[in-house]
Amino acid sequence: LAKTTQPISMDSYEGQEVNITCSHNNIATNDYITWYQQFPSQGPRFIIQGYKTKVTNEVASLFIPADRKSSTLSLPRVSLSDTAVYYCLVGDTGTASKLTFGTGTRLQVTL
Amino acid sequence: ETGVTQTPRHLVMGMTNKKSLKCEQHLGHNAMYWYKQSAKKPLELMFVYNFKEQTENNSVPSRFSPECPNSSHLFLHLHTLQPEDSALYLCASSRNRDRSSYEQYFGPGTRLTVT
Repeated sequence: LAKTTQPISMDSYEGQEVNITCSHNNIATNDYITWYQQFPSQGPRFIIQGYKTKVTNEVASLFIPADRKSSTLSLPRVSLSDTAVYYCLVGDTGTASKLTFGTGTRLQVTL
Repeated sequence: ETGVTQTPRHLVMGMTNKKSLKCEQHLGHNAMYWYKQSAKKPLELMFVYNFKEQTENNSVPSRFSPECPNSSHLFLHLHTLQPEDSALYLCASSRNRDRSSYEQYFGPGTRLTVT
């Protein structure tokens, strides 16, 4: 299983762009990169998934360099409601039982 | 709303009680999961069901007993729990266990307190 490393916490002001980087040096060829968001006392929410280059949806963008050893989740113009824990997961989507959530990055957005 | 509902949202039970947690998904998914999230610890996968069949048991104690009567419903039967079992129990679903399994939809969870 590819181990992931991400910052424990980040702070941002409302309206700023936030970039959360995740390192996954031993990512395997078949592995995808998936990000989840979790608010206190709620279940995680799927944000975005990608394999290489860039993926964008209505919530975020995911940037993956050519070597795929890291990835960056970009949240444009964050608001107070984006305060949450963000998890980076790496694995083969064919092995759901290996979906391992780490401790995530706690993002605090303030005015 | 994620399309996954869980009841009850909060549960307090004694160590000798028997209770059940219920999960229902309205997404037409075929795979369902139980997770446990203790305070300040990562999510722990407990069980995986695919097309009603249990495919994963992540070394969960027998005092937790899952049941999946159909692809839309998942139960977790609890008996003789310990205080350390107090946690947020989350149910999730995905289209199936394989190709789309990392895109899971979680319910709001049941906050369980064992006294």
